[in-house]
Amino acid sequence: TQLLEQSPQFLSIQEGENLTVYCNSSSVFSSLQWYRQEPGEGPVLLVTVVTGGEVKKLKRLTFQFGDARKDSSLHITAAQPGDTGLYLCAGAPPGTGGFKTIFGAGTRLFVKA
Amino acid sequence: DADVTQTPRNRITKTGKRIMLECSQTKGHDRMYWYRQDPGLGLQLIYYSFDVKDINKGEISDGYSVSRQAQAKFSLSLESAIPNQTALYFCATSGGSYNEQFFGPGTRLTVL
Repeated sequence: TQLLEQSPQFLSIQEGENLTVYCNSSSVFSSLQWYRQEPGEGPVLLVTVVTGGEVKKLKRLTFQFGDARKDSSLHITAAQPGDTGLYLCAGAPPGTGGFKTIFGAGTRLFVKA
Repeated sequence: DADVTQTPRNRITKTGKRIMLECSQTKGHDRMYWYRQDPGLGLQLIYYSFDVKDINKGEISDGYSVSRQAQAKFSLSLESAIPNQTALYFCATSGGSYNEQFFGPGTRLTVL
């Protein structure tokens, strides 16, 4: 059982559409991170959310941390083919001192031109 | 130049062979990690190190060993490779307050 559950697992959409992907847990996290991974490369950090209810924007990407710090979402506005990739959420589980990160299984996004 | 480098990038080997994957970083971070990635399972932690003298097992350390030769170098060994160790392997470093991870480009390992 994954401590961080991501949904959906796969998403295929047309260029210009909006989408939201989710990261959920039954545990409280002090912070959550989102990464994007492209084929043949390592994951790249997009953002870290720290405060419950926090919203961060990165161009067309909007990240939200749930009020209870058990979940997070990533919303992409007007998706482009360059957004294609594997989106991973990650965080340090409670009781690990903050230096041991676990990852969700990811949402694989494909944006068709 | 890349901050985190891994060698080799691709490796095909046979069951029973000893394999070493190497990782170097120029970020100056103390914390280094080895992960394994399999389709549908995300990244699983194999080993992690907070400094040269501090090595810790992750969730899936069986069949693997590591060596932290210096602050900048962290290698992963498979003493006797088996086919179910076929996967993508990533090295990462961390130096931030929230343990943000900086990954290398990965090694694709195939064990026949």
